[in-house]
Amino acid sequence: GQNIDQPTEMTATEGAIVQINCTYQTSGFNGLFWYQQHAGEAPTFLSYNVLDGLEEKGRFSSFLSRSKGYSYLLLKELQMKDSASYLCAVRDHNQAGTALIFGKGTTLSVSS
Amino acid sequence: GAVVSQHPSWVICKSGTSVKIECRSLDFQATTMFWYRQFPKQSLMLMATSNEGSKATYEQGVEKDKFLINHASLTLSTLTVTSAHPEDSSFYICSARDPGGLADTQYFGPGTRLTVL
Repeated sequence: GQNIDQPTEMTATEGAIVQINCTYQTSGFNGLFWYQQHAGEAPTFLSYNVLDGLEEKGRFSSFLSRSKGYSYLLLKELQMKDSASYLCAVRDHNQAGTALIFGKGTTLSVSS
Repeated sequence: GAVVSQHPSWVICKSGTSVKIECRSLDFQATTMFWYRQFPKQSLMLMATSNEGSKATYEQGVEKDKFLINHASLTLSTLTVTSAHPEDSSFYICSARDPGGLADTQYFGPGTRLTVL
């Protein structure tokens, strides 16, 4: 089966850096995705990792270690608008249609 | 990025009625679409995988006779909630996989909020 763990909540202040961790267990790993979801809205794609290492994309970076079943999303220069839920999702090629399996999400609150 | 639309955005219906939700990929062809359900403060739960021209694959615990999925074309999938009950009230989100995009990334529709009275 699959299991994805991430912290439930995190808080940070404007301008700071925050790291959201995600650990996963899956039988047919085929990529890890991070999505951002604001309350009442659909998730929007942030990043994708399939090989080990760091992927940088502006203020957001994502890291993957396949041997450890571990990823993190790094958010720099935090802004109030970054307050949202961040979803870690794993693609499993054993899953029909290679659907994404989501973690429960980490709610990030950014204060001034 | 690719655009996925969903209609309606929200719907309120009486218990026992059926509701149809449409999911369209606007600027790409999606052979595979996915339907998720999200309850308040919880994560997305995959309901089913919809494949164009074939039957949907349902996740364990999801009643296929209650949640009817039709993927009639490469740009349209529909989810019909039949004989809806208050416990079916939820946020329903579809996604479509863009085979021409980065790593077959899934793009999500804006979601449909269903309230069953």
